[in-house]
Amino acid sequence: EVQLVESGGGLVQPGRSLRLSCAASGFIFDDYAMHWVRQAPGKGLEWVSGISWSSGSIGYADSVKGRFTISRDNAKHSLYLQMNSLRAEDTALYYCAKDQSSYGSGSYFDYWGQGTRVTVSS
Amino acid sequence: DIQMTQSPSTLSASVGDRVTITCRASQSISSWLAWYQQKAGRAPKLLIYKASNLQSGVPSRFSGSGSGTEFTLTISRLQPDDFATYYCQQYNSYSQTFGQGTKVEIK
Repeated sequence: EVQLVESGGGLVQPGRSLRLSCAASGFIFDDYAMHWVRQAPGKGLEWVSGISWSSGSIGYADSVKGRFTISRDNAKHSLYLQMNSLRAEDTALYYCAKDQSSYGSGSYFDYWGQGTRVTVSS
Repeated sequence: DIQMTQSPSTLSASVGDRVTITCRASQSISSWLAWYQQKAGRAPKLLIYKASNLQSGVPSRFSGSGSGTEFTLTISRLQPDDFATYYCQQYNSYSQTFGQGTKVEIK
């Protein structure tokens, strides 16, 4: 059974940093690209970032480019999102999502975690 | 970025009704479209990929159609478990984008 478990969320002041983690199990982690998708309170879904199986292809939404960094550790079956210079508009539930392919560029998501909540407020 | 527009934003329907949700892309995305269902407090669940392919385990009352810029999700006979919010997502480009969602409510 595929499981994606996010952690690392919390309350943080504007301008500060936070690192999210996603622990994956139930599938061959290094065969698939992975993504972060967020959902602000009461709002829709927004793709944040994606990374290919080898970390050779990485993409970011314009809203987070230059502030967020995605990475993965295939040996640990883990995905990460380093979030710097956080803003109030980054407040959201952050989901880890499994790509159905290896590449990450232009794909859909066949499994999702339950999310970790990030609140940016002073 | 490619913009995705869903209609309607909210839909009131009864159990047994046939329901159709429309998703329009701001430019052609061929058939690179997925549909997700999200229930309150839960993660999204993949229903349809490549516009019309049913994800494994999804009931056959769900179907998708369309190509280019116009797509539809149809629920043939609405069941109590289907009351939820539905999102389309284009994956023609790396900056994959979602529609704003359609909430299916009990009439």
